[in-house]
Amino acid sequence: GENVEQHPSTLSVQEGDSAVIKCTYSDSASNYFPWYKQELGKRPQLIIDIRSNVGEKKDQRIAVTLNKTAKHFSLHITETQPEDSAVYFCAAKKVGGGADGLTFGKGTHLIIQP
Amino acid sequence: SQTIHQWPATLVQPVGSPLSLECTVEGTSNPNLYWYRQAAGRGLQLLFYSVGIGQISSEVPQNLSASRPQDRQFILSSKKLLLSDSGFYLCAWSVDMLNTEAFFGQGTRLTVV
Repeated sequence: GENVEQHPSTLSVQEGDSAVIKCTYSDSASNYFPWYKQELGKRPQLIIDIRSNVGEKKDQRIAVTLNKTAKHFSLHITETQPEDSAVYFCAAKKVGGGADGLTFGKGTHLIIQP
Repeated sequence: SQTIHQWPATLVQPVGSPLSLECTVEGTSNPNLYWYRQAAGRGLQLLFYSVGIGQISSEVPQNLSASRPQDRQFILSSKKLLLSDSGFYLCAWSVDMLNTEAFFGQGTRLTVV
């Protein structure tokens, strides 16, 4: 089955700086890669996703890049703000290959220092 | 609009006691339903998924079971809880197997003592 590795486990950046979180996956058949944000005590919520037919996707201050050959994808947050502090999870899935759920990374605790 | 309800929000149970967590989805029909567990420092682990009434698939062997008695109801159960069952349990749904976004419930914080 799929295995997703996520790094780093904790990331502390100064407010206004950029943050990058990286994930690798093992199953080359995976074709959907979402990122979820989970604030303390709350449910995970989708913030951005990318499919394997696209190399990069951007939504305001967040972007995701995908390298299918290397089987890794990254989340980029620019001009970080205090409200960006949360745990971020990457995930992978083969859409259309069955109804099984997402395989998640272990999460990155992003801390925005004022 | 679609909503997902999960209860209770927190639960403290003694070792060996039974467990029943309930999740319901409103505003959609025949959703795919999922149970995830989030243990400290271990991310989100898929436990069960269901594509229809009575259809349950298990991802990992464990002390838990799941049932789907109705189209929009998903129940997580255990006959005898273990200490290792403690964690944050999240129910989720998606439209169908071709759709991608998973919508999560509020979660249940289970502490087994």
